Amino acid sequence: DTAVSQTPKYLVTQMGNDKSIKCEQNLGHDTMYWYKQDSKKFLKIMFSYNNKELIINETVPNRFSPKSPDKAHLNLHINSLELGDSAVYFCASNGPWGGELFFGEGSRLTVL
Amino acid sequence: AQSVTQLGSHVSVSEGALVLLRCNYSSSVPPYLFWYVQYPNQGLQLLLKYTSAATLVKGINGFEAEFKKSETSFHLTKPSAHMSDAAEYFCAVSEYTGNQFYFGTGTSLTVIP
Repeated sequence: DTAVSQTPKYLVTQMGNDKSIKCEQNLGHDTMYWYKQDSKKFLKIMFSYNNKELIINETVPNRFSPKSPDKAHLNLHINSLELGDSAVYFCASNGPWGGELFFGEGSRLTVL
Repeated sequence: AQSVTQLGSHVSVSEGALVLLRCNYSSSVPPYLFWYVQYPNQGLQLLLKYTSAATLVKGINGFEAEFKKSETSFHLTKPSAHMSDAAEYFCAVSEYTGNQFYFGTGTSLTVIP
């Protein structure tokens, strides 16, 4: 079983559309994250949830809205997609007190 | 806030040569330190981590890193590079709460046959 799984792996869409990426972890972790990796491979934290509660909300446009229905799931919905949203989005999770991050395989979003 | 500096965005080594990837962090309190590897079109996977136990940490695939508090460094080494080591490497730091991670900008390792 994949520890952190995210779907879809690839999304190609037009500007102005709305899209969602889903993430699930089966590690029993309390904390989940969304990261954005740009074309230069730079990783930027977007959101973090601990047991369904938002704990990190970096400077991200309001068009991005995370939702955590339970502690094993963290979804990302993006409204009114823009060209600059093209990136790879990674979901991750970790346990408490210094536990390393476990990453999903990434979802590559291309906005045309 | 913490910051992580990885010197050298691109490093090339010959197959069989020593690999040295540099990482420095800014912190007055010893944090948790990590090295991750990312192969093309894949997610990040943990190579090794330092969590205040032994300062020399051994990881997967023959990699190791040494925590040097006086130099605020956590450089990654491997005695002999293999073609399969070609990838992007990220150094990361987290604080004791474990909920805030700071990543370096990554180092792309090329191994020349």
